[in-house]
Amino acid sequence: AQTVTQSQPEMSVQEAETVTLSCTYDTSENNYYLFWYKQPPSRQMILVIRQEAYKQQNATENRFSVNFQKAAKSFSLKISDSQLGDTAMYFCAFMKLGGSEKLVFGKGTKLTVNP
Amino acid sequence: DAGITQSPRYKITETGRQVTLMCHQTWSHSYMFWYRQDLGHGLRLIYYSAAADITDKGEVPDGYVVSRSKTENFPLTLESATRSQTSVYFCASRWTGGRDEQFFGPGTRLTVL
Repeated sequence: AQTVTQSQPEMSVQEAETVTLSCTYDTSENNYYLFWYKQPPSRQMILVIRQEAYKQQNATENRFSVNFQKAAKSFSLKISDSQLGDTAMYFCAFMKLGGSEKLVFGKGTKLTVNP
Repeated sequence: DAGITQSPRYKITETGRQVTLMCHQTWSHSYMFWYRQDLGHGLRLIYYSAAADITDKGEVPDGYVVSRSKTENFPLTLESATRSQTSVYFCASRWTGGRDEQFFGPGTRLTVL
């Protein structure tokens, strides 16, 4: 079974600065996707970024980028130029390709962006 | 409205009562999922469905029942609610295969007294 670990329950950052959220996972699979979801106080789950395991290039989406280290099973999220609207819970998630394609989530990191 | 909706958004019930949470999606996605979110646990999969009339258990299925007679609907029933089922419940859907993400509903906050 796959597991996802987010070792930072809470983090804070000053507005306009950069912050990195950590995620490690355990799997014996070779074909999978990794995701970061954002959950603001509204409770809505919003996809931030995704990474296909077969791609060596790290995914980027505007101010969000990942550092994907497949051998180390590490998938960190970097938020540049942090904004107040980035305040949210962030969840790392793993999805094995084939089968149910369900998501396995980490426990989340609560990020607070301070003005 | 297009998308994935859940009803009710908030529900308070008593121990032992039957409760059904509704989920409806307009995309004709093959897969649908039910997760529960509890403090300190993240989101955990309760049940999922690969297509109409095909369902399977997830990580925490005890005390829950699902059905999927139509592609667009995936109700979750708590047959006899317990306090430990107090949680926020999320429904999600996605296409089969490919790189598509799961799309989440807005969640239902359920309180069992």
